[in-house]
Amino acid sequence: EAGVAQSPRYKIIEKRQSVAFWCNPISGHATLYWYQQILGQGPKLLIQFQNNGVVDDSQLPKDRFSAERLKGVDSTLKIQPAKLEDSAVYLCASSHADGTDTQYFGPGTRLTVL
Amino acid sequence: GDSVTQMEGPVTLSEEAFLTINCTYTATGYPSLFWYVQYPGEGLQLLLKATKADDKGSNKGFEATYRKETTSFHLEKGSVQVSDSAVYFCALSDLPGGNTPLVFGKGTRLSVIA
Repeated sequence: EAGVAQSPRYKIIEKRQSVAFWCNPISGHATLYWYQQILGQGPKLLIQFQNNGVVDDSQLPKDRFSAERLKGVDSTLKIQPAKLEDSAVYLCASSHADGTDTQYFGPGTRLTVL
Repeated sequence: GDSVTQMEGPVTLSEEAFLTINCTYTATGYPSLFWYVQYPGEGLQLLLKATKADDKGSNKGFEATYRKETTSFHLEKGSVQVSDSAVYFCALSDLPGGNTPLVFGKGTRLSVIA
């Protein structure tokens, strides 16, 4: 079974530029999460999707971050404009919708904002 | 809100030493508890989990017991190997069996030397 795929793996941009990350979850997983992991900290939820609907985006900085999950499969996370404090690893995770809890994580995208 | 506190690292041990990484949590309900591991250059992987009080999760020689009375989920291994060097994250999901976001601790870096 293929795992969660993310791209790119690394991205370096200057502040005020825009950037987009892509995630392809495990086939059949209805629930998709985006987490932000700042260096030295644990991951923190940005947004949760169930199929193509948003379940929780309460911690997403909506003035600069946006996310979508078209057709309930792939997802993109966008930052526009980026700030220095957005430097982090962005993790995508997916899980079944059958209540088994286990979330499977992708390798992450490491973003550096200069 | 829910939170997870785990011992700060880094932790450095000699091969075959006994490992304990402490984790305590705060939650309003009856959460599921997890340990995730992040090997160098790789994504987060589920190591073990427990979904109710007194459950013991185990995998690859690691164990953790869900202690409701002390709100703890300490990770232990009797004899560590160099290959166990990684960052370990304790996490909770506040609805047992539900697809809810994980709340993570800050992580504990373990280095095992031969």
